[in-house]
Amino acid sequence: GAGVSQSPSNKVTEKGKDVELRCDPISGHTALYWYRQSLGQGLEFLIYFQGNSAPDKSGLPSDRFSAERTGGSVSTLTIQRTQQEDSAVYLCASSLGGQGGTEAFFGQGTRLTVV
Amino acid sequence: GQQLNQSPQSMFIQEGEDVSMNCTSSSIFNTWLWYKQDPGEGPVLLIALYKAGELTSNGRLTAQFGITRKDSFLNISASIPSDVGIYFCAASNTGKLIFGQGTTLQVKP
Repeated sequence: GAGVSQSPSNKVTEKGKDVELRCDPISGHTALYWYRQSLGQGLEFLIYFQGNSAPDKSGLPSDRFSAERTGGSVSTLTIQRTQQEDSAVYLCASSLGGQGGTEAFFGQGTRLTVV
Repeated sequence: GQQLNQSPQSMFIQEGEDVSMNCTSSSIFNTWLWYKQDPGEGPVLLIALYKAGELTSNGRLTAQFGITRKDSFLNISASIPSDVGIYFCAASNTGKLIFGQGTTLQVKP
């Protein structure tokens, strides 16, 4: 597709369950970002992938959070043993990266609700 | 860690007025970006700045990359109701993008 695609758009899960959130970046974009946005708040950095380099995981809030990027394209953010405080909108973005620049384009987000 | 301080936190203005918001940091950056977010949507890129001192316009929007590389501002001229939303600054050095806390803009017709 032409833009960043995230799925599902909404996810309701029970506390303690694991969830997987998917991001399809713009074709040809080597950089991919995950952010978390709580209601009325700013964007909290989670993780950044650039090409084949080791990802910058410095924003992951706990070891229950992990992310993978397979084949330099699709990324999955996994939250294990979800807690109510994990409820938020999870936003993915991609950019050309490297010398191509840092102009990141966002998906619509996945709204996660932990009940 | 690196942090962006964005102000004001919110603004309520009359249609037709000009708006100014800014972002500052104690760290130097080589890229500044400005985004707008509408409810239920992801942020949309408005303006990108890559050079210290650079002044860039996009329609009624004007943004500048501060000469010290530690700040940036965004101006909106002659505001209209559809300017309502949350505006975020973002900055980067190595490709990792960090964001300010946002400025919520409300426009009264």
